[in-house]
Amino acid sequence: GAVVSQHPSRVICKSGTSVKIECRSLDFQATTMFWYRQFPKKSLMLMATSNEGSKATYEQGVEKDKFLINHASLTLSTLTVTSAHPEDSSFYICSARSDSEQYFGPGTRLTVT
Amino acid sequence: EDKVVQSPLSLVVHEGDTVTLNCSYEVTNFRSLLWYKQEKKAPTFLFMLTSSGIEKKSGRLSSILDKKELSSILNITATQTGDSAIYLCAVCGGSNYKLTFGKGTLLTVNP
Repeated sequence: GAVVSQHPSRVICKSGTSVKIECRSLDFQATTMFWYRQFPKKSLMLMATSNEGSKATYEQGVEKDKFLINHASLTLSTLTVTSAHPEDSSFYICSARSDSEQYFGPGTRLTVT
Repeated sequence: EDKVVQSPLSLVVHEGDTVTLNCSYEVTNFRSLLWYKQEKKAPTFLFMLTSSGIEKKSGRLSSILDKKELSSILNITATQTGDSAIYLCAVCGGSNYKLTFGKGTLLTVNP
């Protein structure tokens, strides 16, 4: 199946700093990428839908100025958590759409101290 | 608002047992229903179902979709300890192929 990578896999940062997470589709072009957040023992919550070359569509309750999404090319989307706080600590997962299937990246564990 | 409900939320069985996990949904412009297995990292894909009544099988796992009842089941036969995981059901809908996930079923298979 198709491969999606995320970098970094794990990051620890101090409160107030910004963190960038990259999501790449390695062997296919993804017109749409999705960013999810997962709290411990909870399901995945869609944060935003990212279309190449246009602004991301954010789900209700997700602050677009806090979670900046850039989908600069058909194989790369980035999520920047700005001015991170401890409550932003979570598992962030991206997925990339190829035709009607979605392929997930391995996830990024963010810990804000 | 799209909704996916899974049951049970958790299940403990012994090796060799057969389990059935349930998923029901309400979604605008249904495209497909997907099952994922999640262990420690991101979910891994199991099945995608688009047509009603057709069973998909992969080894000891099988799944079927009932579009009339807006539901799906995932069966695992002869369970093994390696089947212990969270099983997530997601429905794909809308023009942007958005996935809405259920809360998952935590399956624990004891030796």
